[in-house]
Amino acid sequence: DSGVTQTPKHLITATGQRVTLRCSPRSGDLSVYWYQQSLDQGLQFLIQYYNGEERAKGNILERFSAQQFPDLHSELNLSSLELGDSALYFCASSSPGGGAEAFFGQGTRLTVV
Amino acid sequence: GNSVTQMEGPVTLSEEAFLTINCTYTATGYPSLFWYVQYPGEGLQLLLKATKADDKGSNKGFEATYRKETTSFHLEKGSVQVSDSAVYFCALSASWGKLQFGAGTQVVVTP
Repeated sequence: DSGVTQTPKHLITATGQRVTLRCSPRSGDLSVYWYQQSLDQGLQFLIQYYNGEERAKGNILERFSAQQFPDLHSELNLSSLELGDSALYFCASSSPGGGAEAFFGQGTRLTVV
Repeated sequence: GNSVTQMEGPVTLSEEAFLTINCTYTATGYPSLFWYVQYPGEGLQLLLKATKADDKGSNKGFEATYRKETTSFHLEKGSVQVSDSAVYFCALSASWGKLQFGAGTQVVVTP
């Protein structure tokens, strides 16, 4: 158990819909990262938050957004969903400091039909 | 930009065979390097890491050495078990902790 909790584990939704994925980081970790894993794109970094503030942005679509709340949990919002958004979405957290390892949640498998 | 290249799989081995997965990287500065493992249906777990040149990371019989001169971080294990069957990802972190992953290498170990 990594200590990072993601909900839900599975999500099936229709095209055009909006979903919210939730992540609770390990206790004490201030950084939260979101990654997308798909067969064609592999593991792609989407976005990072540190103590409530956006820190870095990767290949995140404009239809996607995220935030980190004062209790440090994070949510990833995906809207106007397309079939190609079907993927495994991982959240990870890490403690401050260079070289700190990231601990990953079990992921949310999103299927858009 | 930064990138990680690792050998394509699947790599199929017999139990007790020697495993090598090649990983090379391109990055500015001095990134930290990682190997993560993903077992079927699970999230990624850190296998080992190295934060500076010539560091050797090791865990569960796996080893990798940070080679700056060849920009490589090859993963090795002397004697694999069936339980080592998984997908292995090489990754680098150059800034703020975000990870740049390679494509992953599936390893299949047969009894």
